[in-house]
Amino acid sequence: GENVEQHPSTLSVQEGDSAVIKCTYSDSASNYFPWYKQELGKRPQLIIDIRSNVGEKKDQRIAVTLNKTAKHFSLHITETQPEDSAVYFCAASMWYNTDKLIFGTGTRLQVFP
Amino acid sequence: DVKVTQSSRYLVKRTGEKVFLECVQDMDHENMFWYRQDPGLGLRLIYFSYDVKMKEKGDIPEGYSVSREKKERFSLILESASTNQTSMYLCASSLPSPSADTQYFGPGTRLTVL
Repeated sequence: GENVEQHPSTLSVQEGDSAVIKCTYSDSASNYFPWYKQELGKRPQLIIDIRSNVGEKKDQRIAVTLNKTAKHFSLHITETQPEDSAVYFCAASMWYNTDKLIFGTGTRLQVFP
Repeated sequence: DVKVTQSSRYLVKRTGEKVFLECVQDMDHENMFWYRQDPGLGLRLIYFSYDVKMKEKGDIPEGYSVSREKKERFSLILESASTNQTSMYLCASSLPSPSADTQYFGPGTRLTVL
């Protein structure tokens, strides 16, 4: 079945440094790739997404890149701040039903002041 | 603002009990989802509903059933709770593709089965 692998599982950075989280997906027909942020004790919330017809998308300090040939996509956070500390999930749409997502296993990001 | 609410934040049940988890969304979304979240395993889809009375199995449907009698409400049912169903349960809703794919999540129900 379709699979999304996410690395690393934990990531610790100093405030102000950049953080990169990578995901690979198995089905070349996937066409929608969202990223969700889940703060401790809270619900996951969409922070950025990208579709397969775009290679890169930016929103202030966060950006997502997509390499369709290699079937991987990455989340980049620049100038990290303590409030960026959270668990981040990547996801990919399923080829036969783009309403359905398959999620990665999550990355716990800790930003130390 | 999309609001997805779940009936309980914390629930403790005994093995063999029938358990109902309720989810309500107020944005007239066609799609509703039930996920299970476990450490190191991410979010795994249990069931998906794309319309009233319509449902589709996800990746881990065993031991669960669902009900969607009204568009705004999606219920997850554990027919006979077992200890391995202790987990965080998240409900989500979305519009159907291609208009929007963003899934909006509820706050979650942490279920403990003793």
